[in-house]
Amino acid sequence: GAVVSQHPSRVICKSGTSVKIECRSLDFQATTMFWYRQFPKQSLMLMATSNEGSKATYEQGVEKDKFLINHASLTLSTLTVTSAHPEDSSFYICSARLSGGAQEQFFGPGTRLTVL
Amino acid sequence: AQSVAQPEDQVNVAEGNPLTVKCTYSVSGNPYLFWYVQYPNRGLQFLLKYITGDNLVKGSYGFEAEFNKSQTSFHLKKPSALVSDSALYFCAVRDIGAAGNKLTFGGGTRVLVKP
Repeated sequence: GAVVSQHPSRVICKSGTSVKIECRSLDFQATTMFWYRQFPKQSLMLMATSNEGSKATYEQGVEKDKFLINHASLTLSTLTVTSAHPEDSSFYICSARLSGGAQEQFFGPGTRLTVL
Repeated sequence: AQSVAQPEDQVNVAEGNPLTVKCTYSVSGNPYLFWYVQYPNRGLQFLLKYITGDNLVKGSYGFEAEFNKSQTSFHLKKPSALVSDSALYFCAVRDIGAAGNKLTFGGGTRVLVKP
């Protein structure tokens, strides 16, 4: 199956700093990528849908100025958590969708963000 | 709006016994249905999907799921569970006719297989 990578897998930062997370589709082109957030023992919450070459579409309640998404190429999307605070600590998972057919989504391994 | 329900937070089963993880869905149009598995501190791994055709879908690691349109269910099954099947399982649905074409996840079911 298609492979999606995320970097870094784990990051610890101080409150007030910004953190960038990269999501790459390694062996396919993804016109659409998704960013999810997962709290402990909970399901995935869709934060935003990222389309290559255009602005991301954010879900209700997600601050677009805080969670900056850039999808500059068909294989790379980045999520930047700006001025991170402890409440932003979470597990962030990206997903990339194959175009055409069933548009199956493949998920990255996730990034554990801890804000001190 | 589309939604997914996984009524059991946790399922406990002895190794070698059949495993069933329940999922029901609600969509206004036709559904695409998926099962994913998540191990601790890892992303989601695809198990299987139903798009069209045979109601019984076979997937990875010996798992299968049956699409039941009348009951709007897509239960995940494995005839003989292994300890290594212990993980968090998510059912997901996409309404292929809905705007945005987003994947909606159930709350997840934790499976614990005891030796």
